[in-house]
Formats: sequence, structure tokens, C-alpha cells
Amino acid sequence: GAVVSQHPSRVICKSGTSVKIECRSLDFQATTMFWYRQFPKQSLMLMATSNEGSKATYEQGVEKDKFLINHASLTLSTLTVTSAHPEDSSFYICSAGPPAAGEQYFGPGTRLTVT
Amino acid sequence: SQQGEEDPQALSIQEGENATMNCSYKTSINNLQWYRQNSGRGLVHLILIRSNEREKHSGRLRVTLDTSKKSSSLLITASRAADTASYFCATEISGNNRLAFGKGNQVVVIP
Repeated sequence: GAVVSQHPSRVICKSGTSVKIECRSLDFQATTMFWYRQFPKQSLMLMATSNEGSKATYEQGVEKDKFLINHASLTLSTLTVTSAHPEDSSFYICSAGPPAAGEQYFGPGTRLTVT
Repeated sequence: SQQGEEDPQALSIQEGENATMNCSYKTSINNLQWYRQNSGRGLVHLILIRSNEREKHSGRLRVTLDTSKKSSSLLITASRAADTASYFCATEISGNNRLAFGKGNQVVVIP
């Protein structure tokens, strides 16, 4: 089956710094990838749609200047949490799917802890 | 906004028993998907049922979809300890693979 990877799996950073998370589709090309955030014991919340070669589309309430998304190639999207604060601590998960597959494949997630 | 919403449940069952969980949603859908998440991990796609399907099987999984009631159920038969996980349903937002997830059901299978 299709594989999506994320890096890093876990990151701890100090408040005020920026953190970059990578999402890669390993065996298919993805013109679109999705970024979700999950707080402990809660469900996933869609943050934004990453579009290859164009600007990301953000969900209502998500600050685009804080969560920078770049989709520079058909297999890589990056999410940068800028000026991170403790409330940004969360589990960030990306997904992608082969064209016309109808289903999404999720990365293993990145645990971000901001101290 | 969340379109897929399960009745929040925390199931604790004995190995070998069946586990049933439900999901309701609010708008029309193209399909509904179920995912499993082990603690602290990513999601694993379990099954997708299209809006013109009423029931679908995959191994020990059985999914039903009632579009008139805007609800779905996931049945895991003959549960195993390895089935211990959280289970989420998800529906597409606007038909472009953007997913809205429900609250999730935590299932604990006791060996």
C-alpha cells in the first residue's frame, strides 16, 4: 500500500523558535497533502490543504502566518510552526493519497512539545 | 466543522467478543471511512464505504451505512488484544479528500 512518512517523529523546542515538519509520499506523487493537528485524547482537526506549486488553503481559525506550508515537489510538503508557544504543543499528522484512490494514507505523526 | 461524529464511547470488552461503534454525520457524503489509531501513532485506513453501499466487509470488520439516518456503524468480530486502539470515522468535506473526523471511540480488548 501507499506509504507516507513524516520527519521528525518527535521534537522538543523552546518557546519562540520555529520548527519544520516534513511529510513525504514515498511511492506515489501527491499534488495535494493535508495537515491535521490532534490534541491529547481528542480527534484530528484539519488545519490546511497543501497544494503542489501553489498556496496552501487554510481552514477557518488556522493562522497561515503561524503555520507556514510549502509543497515544493510532488512528494514533499513541509509545515513550519513559527514562533512556537506551549499551546502549539500537539501531535501533527499529514496525509496524502494517490490520485483517484478515494482514501488517504496518513503519516506516523510528529509529536511537538514546546517548552 | 466536524461532519463525522461518533457517539463518544469507551468500550472495554473481553477478547473474542464483538465490538460495535457508531458514527453520525450531518451533510451528504460521497463516502465514509473508518480509521484506527494506536496510542501515539498515525492513522491506519480500515475501510471505505461509498454512499451507494449499505454494507461492506473486510476480514473481521463489518461496516454499515444508512444515508437516510446519516449514520454508520463499525463492527469488529472476534476481537483480539491487538484491536485495542481508537477508532475514528471520517467524511469528506466538499469531495476533495479533505476529511472531517469524528470524536473517536476508544476500544480496549482485555486478553
